[in-house]
Amino acid sequence: DTEVTQTPKHLVMGMTNKKSLKCEQHMGHRAMYWYKQKAKKPPELMFVYSYEKLSINESVPSRFSPECPNSSLLNLHLHALQPEDSALYLCASSQERRSNSYHGELFFGEGSRLTVL
Amino acid sequence: QQPVQSPQAVILREGEDAVINCSSSKALYSVHWYRQKHGEAPVFLMILLKGGEQKGHEKISASFNEKKQQSSLYLTASQLSYSGTYFCGTGFNFGNEKLTFGTGTRLTIIP
Repeated sequence: DTEVTQTPKHLVMGMTNKKSLKCEQHMGHRAMYWYKQKAKKPPELMFVYSYEKLSINESVPSRFSPECPNSSLLNLHLHALQPEDSALYLCASSQERRSNSYHGELFFGEGSRLTVL
Repeated sequence: QQPVQSPQAVILREGEDAVINCSSSKALYSVHWYRQKHGEAPVFLMILLKGGEQKGHEKISASFNEKKQQSSLYLTASQLSYSGTYFCGTGFNFGNEKLTFGTGTRLTIIP
């Protein structure tokens, strides 16, 4: 199983709503990531979890709240978003860094396309 | 600190070769290459590490010039399936936790 699964695929929400994006992987990877991608732009790193602990937060506004309940799951909680937050949100995972075969390639999910009205 | 890719876009006929370049203003530890088709997730192609180690796709090759802080991706005898946007991703120290993606190169292969 080499998949990263993201749900939902599409989400439309108002600025006062609270919603969550979910990501799951069963490859035994211990690093998981959230990226934001605007149309025709490269993915931008938001958060990194390493061994279920938040290791990188790229100065993301607090209206985005990540959570890593266990080594297979990653959530992104959304609250009071702005229309400019509309984008494709990509989850990714990578192999355990301490592994001898570690090279660091990212495995991406299909993404959740978010529209904020 | 975002790596700059060139060209921004290129159109090729099937069977032609392509070279995509990635330049960084900072010293690099690693360079990743990914391809993203429209509406799909980025897919890993190649990683090059400082010191010469490589891992990647059998039909795609790449080079990594540490001194010039540059990498190039070589696509030979291009196929229709090669169409998509190519991103390099650069890491500045061991581990890829802070991978920064380049500006992207849109490749279109026509029959």
